Amino acid sequence: EAAVTQSPRNKVAVTGGKVTLSCNQTNNHNNMYWYRQDTGHGLRLIHYSYGAGSTEKGDIPDGYKASRPSQENFSLILELATPSQTSVYFCASGDEQYFGPGTRLTVL
Amino acid sequence: GDSVTQMQGQVTLSEDDFLFINCTYSTTWYPTLFWYVQYPGEGPQLLLKVTTANNKGISRGFEATYDKGTTSFHLQKASVQESDSAVYYCVLDQGGRALIFGTGTTVSVSP
Repeated sequence: EAAVTQSPRNKVAVTGGKVTLSCNQTNNHNNMYWYRQDTGHGLRLIHYSYGAGSTEKGDIPDGYKASRPSQENFSLILELATPSQTSVYFCASGDEQYFGPGTRLTVL
Repeated sequence: GDSVTQMQGQVTLSEDDFLFINCTYSTTWYPTLFWYVQYPGEGPQLLLKVTTANNKGISRGFEATYDKGTTSFHLQKASVQESDSAVYYCVLDQGGRALIFGTGTTVSVSP
């Protein structure tokens, strides 16, 4: 079974600060994804990647950047965090999308 | 654009009750459809996958039926257990891009 890990699991940030969420997968999947989960919205796609060096915008990319330096790693970057970005963030890999355990981010 | 709709936000049942969750989708083609389940504190995980070739999927006692005529994709289970308490997502495959998730149905099963 695919293993997807995320770090940190919990993060408290201040408004205007920079936040980096990391994701690692060990199943050699080409595709990786970042979602956020909010009550009433389900999961919404932020960025995704088809492989190392590739990043694509999802449905709600504003305020987020992504980086895919290697097959295994995919990061989500909030350059200037805002309270509206308080959410639970999930990383997934593979066409059928194996999900990590999530990162709970609070921006004060 | 493509979308999925789950009208039931919350379903409350007792053990051994019948579960039925309704989902409708909108797209210009015949997509692959999924049901994902999310247990508290975990990420979503794949429960069922149904393609246009088979129209029905069965896994862990759950059954999903794909009706292209009514563009619906229902999930059902004959007899739920407390361990089935979770959030269930209807999901549409955009074919090579990412998945589109519905808003989820929270199922609570009391013993």
